[in-house]
Amino acid sequence: GAVVSQHPSRVICKSGTSVKIECRSLDFQATTMFWYRQFPKQSLMLMATSNEGSKATYEQGVEKDKFLINHASLTLSTLTVTSAHPEDSSFYICSALISSRITEAFFGQGTRLTVV
Amino acid sequence: TQLLEQSPQFLSIQEGENLTVYCNSSSVFSSLQWYRQEPGEGPVLLVTVVTGGEVKKLKRLTFQFGDARKDSSLHITAAQPGDTGLYLCAGALTGTASKLTFGTGTRLQVTL
Repeated sequence: GAVVSQHPSRVICKSGTSVKIECRSLDFQATTMFWYRQFPKQSLMLMATSNEGSKATYEQGVEKDKFLINHASLTLSTLTVTSAHPEDSSFYICSALISSRITEAFFGQGTRLTVV
Repeated sequence: TQLLEQSPQFLSIQEGENLTVYCNSSSVFSSLQWYRQEPGEGPVLLVTVVTGGEVKKLKRLTFQFGDARKDSSLHITAAQPGDTGLYLCAGALTGTASKLTFGTGTRLQVTL
């Protein structure tokens, strides 16, 4: 099966610092990856679509300068939360599409970010 | 505006009981997926339905896609504690899983 690995699984950082979260497709190439945010006991909200070699497409209301997305290769997308604040604390999840199975998205394990 | 509304939001039942979770929308979806998510983990895909009226079975789980492709249901027979988790439906407006719209979620707890 398709495996998507996210790292780190948990991170605690101080206010004002930046945090980078990695999303890797381990056994397939993903031209498109997605980043979601999930608040406690709520559903997933799409933040942005990450396309290899091009700029990410952000959903309405998501600050692109705060949530920097880089998709430099077919197996890696990164989300950097810049100048983090306590309100950025959340569960961040990535997903990836396989070009030959485009009706299925495969999710990473998620990253729990806590900003103190 | 939430495109996909799930009901119920919370469900606490005893082992052996049956249950149905509903996912409703006013929009037509090309495909609809059901996921289960456990605390601190990413969602795990259970099933994808693409044809109106389609019914798929996965052991004790039965999934149905509405004829008009606007709604779906998940029925669990003889629930077990291992079924506990957050159930999410997600719809794709296009023919791919791009930009999935997730439902509001149903939190299920099955007790002994």
